[in-house]
Amino acid sequence: RKEVEQDPGPFNVPEGATVAFNCTYSNSASQSFFWYRQDCRKEPKLLMSVYSSGNEDGRFTAQLNRASQYISLLIRDSKLSDSATYLCVVPTDKLIFGTGTRLQVFP
Amino acid sequence: DTEVTQTPKHLVMGMTNKKSLKCEQHMGHRAMYWYKQKAKKPPELMFVYSYEKLSINESVPSRFSPECPNSSLLNLHLHALQPEDSALYLCASSQKAGTGPNQPQHFGDGTRLSIL
Repeated sequence: RKEVEQDPGPFNVPEGATVAFNCTYSNSASQSFFWYRQDCRKEPKLLMSVYSSGNEDGRFTAQLNRASQYISLLIRDSKLSDSATYLCVVPTDKLIFGTGTRLQVFP
Repeated sequence: DTEVTQTPKHLVMGMTNKKSLKCEQHMGHRAMYWYKQKAKKPPELMFVYSYEKLSINESVPSRFSPECPNSSLLNLHLHALQPEDSALYLCASSQKAGTGPNQPQHFGDGTRLSIL
């Protein structure tokens, strides 16, 4: 099993839709998790940190299920500007990046 | 605006050239990182510096040579690179190295390197 797995997508959704991405991880000892957003030809930017069962920031909700070893990211009321690649990141002795999930929001 | 600054933003060099990439942060972070990222792939870790000492080298070829002159600066010296080394090189920093809470990494906007 890969250390971090994500569905690469792309997810093509209309504006206003709700979309969810899942990420599974193999290291059960991991305590904190991150979602990064990366626009085309730009650097990854931290979107959310997840330390306990979940975290909410406006339209974005991250949830953690330790028993099943997955993290999810929910985006409500999608905007065109949400189009990007979303990277799931699991710290071990370093950051382990998932392959990223591409989201394309269309008008 | 990113709090980690990288220069240059773009670099084109021949296989016999010697050049350096530079990274600077003033957040008081004590861990700094170099990553390489190819198109449509996630970043790949190259080096980790913790308290100005090299703590992780991910079996990177010796044509890449990192240097950490002080806690705010990180360099990557390049020599005799190959065309397959063309990529986006990202610098990042965090409060300290490790996996504890509040240890996300903050990335610079990268140097896009092309090897002719």
